[in-house]
Amino acid sequence: DTAVSQTPKYLVTQMGNDKSIKCEQNLGHDTMYWYKQDSKKFLKIMFSYNNKELIINETVPNRFSPKSPDKAHLNLHINSLELGDSAVYFCASSQVYAVWALHFGNGTRLTVT
Amino acid sequence: DAKTTQPTSMDCAEGRAANLPCNHSTISGNEYVYWYRQIHSQGPQYIIHGLKNNETNEMASLIITEDRKSSTLILPHATLRDTAVYYCIVSVRGGSRLTFGEGTQLTVNP
Repeated sequence: DTAVSQTPKYLVTQMGNDKSIKCEQNLGHDTMYWYKQDSKKFLKIMFSYNNKELIINETVPNRFSPKSPDKAHLNLHINSLELGDSAVYFCASSQVYAVWALHFGNGTRLTVT
Repeated sequence: DAKTTQPTSMDCAEGRAANLPCNHSTISGNEYVYWYRQIHSQGPQYIIHGLKNNETNEMASLIITEDRKSSTLILPHATLRDTAVYYCIVSVRGGSRLTFGEGTQLTVNP
């Protein structure tokens, strides 16, 4: 199926650990994003990459580092996890000429204990 | 980006039209209205967007008032699968910094 897929779906870890979330899209899009949905369900952009280049970097702690090995993949690595990092993280993709039509993955629920 | 106001929740009978309102009284001339929805445990799904003209696609219709201060998303024949949170977002064209607010929880009842 054509889609944006992210793994894992659930991630439970302890404070201080380092974890990664992987994202892949087979839609042929050239722009990929990471969004964070907090406990109040507000969804905000964290990063945007176009053809492996960082385009948007919102006010996100340095502990969050996106990595794009190619334009079909955008992984999110988080160092020294904190309780406040608990949220649902969504990967998304779009064509650069249609950035309003984002295609989202189904999210990774991160719980930091 | 302009702020939007939506009702917290709405109900609709299956097979009926669902009309979801959105107020965006501070919208500026270069800002578009976007609608997304999020079905439980899934990522948001793009529905439609428009500037000032009414728009229609296979999913829905978007009616924007002449002064552009409000809009309505219309699902012509709601089904149970349309139960979701619907987000109205105002942003500049080409802007990828879409910020999703609280949205409207639409429940379609059998």
